[in-house]
Amino acid sequence: DAGVIQSPRHEVTEMGQEVTLRCKPISGHNSLFWYRQTMMRGLELLIYFNNNVPIDDSGMPEDRFSAKMPNASFSTLKIQPSEPRDSAVYFCASTPSEQETQYFGPGTRLLVL
Amino acid sequence: AQSVTQPDIHITVSEGASLELRCNYSYGATPYLFWYVQSPGQGLQLLLKYFSGDTLVQGIKGFEAEFKRSQSSFNLRKPSVHWSDAAEYFCAVGAGNNDMRFGAGTRLTVKP
Repeated sequence: DAGVIQSPRHEVTEMGQEVTLRCKPISGHNSLFWYRQTMMRGLELLIYFNNNVPIDDSGMPEDRFSAKMPNASFSTLKIQPSEPRDSAVYFCASTPSEQETQYFGPGTRLLVL
Repeated sequence: AQSVTQPDIHITVSEGASLELRCNYSYGATPYLFWYVQSPGQGLQLLLKYFSGDTLVQGIKGFEAEFKRSQSSFNLRKPSVHWSDAAEYFCAVGAGNNDMRFGAGTRLTVKP
């Protein structure tokens, strides 16, 4: 199994630009999570999906952030417009069900200049 | 409110020495408890987890952790550290995946 796949691995962009992060969960996993990791705030849950439906987006920082899961094998996290304070590592994780172990992707390191 | 505290930001041990990483939690009920490891540039990998039953949990890579309800602790241990164990370690607690809280992490350095 290839594990959770995230792309791009690194992204450098300028303030005001749109950024789209992508995630392919492990095949057969029904739940998908987006996290943000920063030195100041540690690892924070942004949003999670169960069976492609967003269940809890209370961790999404503001309206500039949006996430979609159009099918069981693909999810996106979009930031529009991006700001320097969005610079962080964004992780995607998937799990067979809501109560089981999460498997993390390698992360996308985002730098907004 | 639930919270996780990892008191040690950075620990340095010599290769072959024993290791204990501390984790304390605050939670309204008996939580699910996890330890994850993160190598540089990588995602988090689960080392072990406790849901119920035996309070001494064995994990991968020779790690173990003990749940002590009276102390609200779930410390991670390894009897003999290898250079490849150098990484960042995260304790997490929650009632389920949608309810997890991660500690700030402890960075482990291994001296030759």
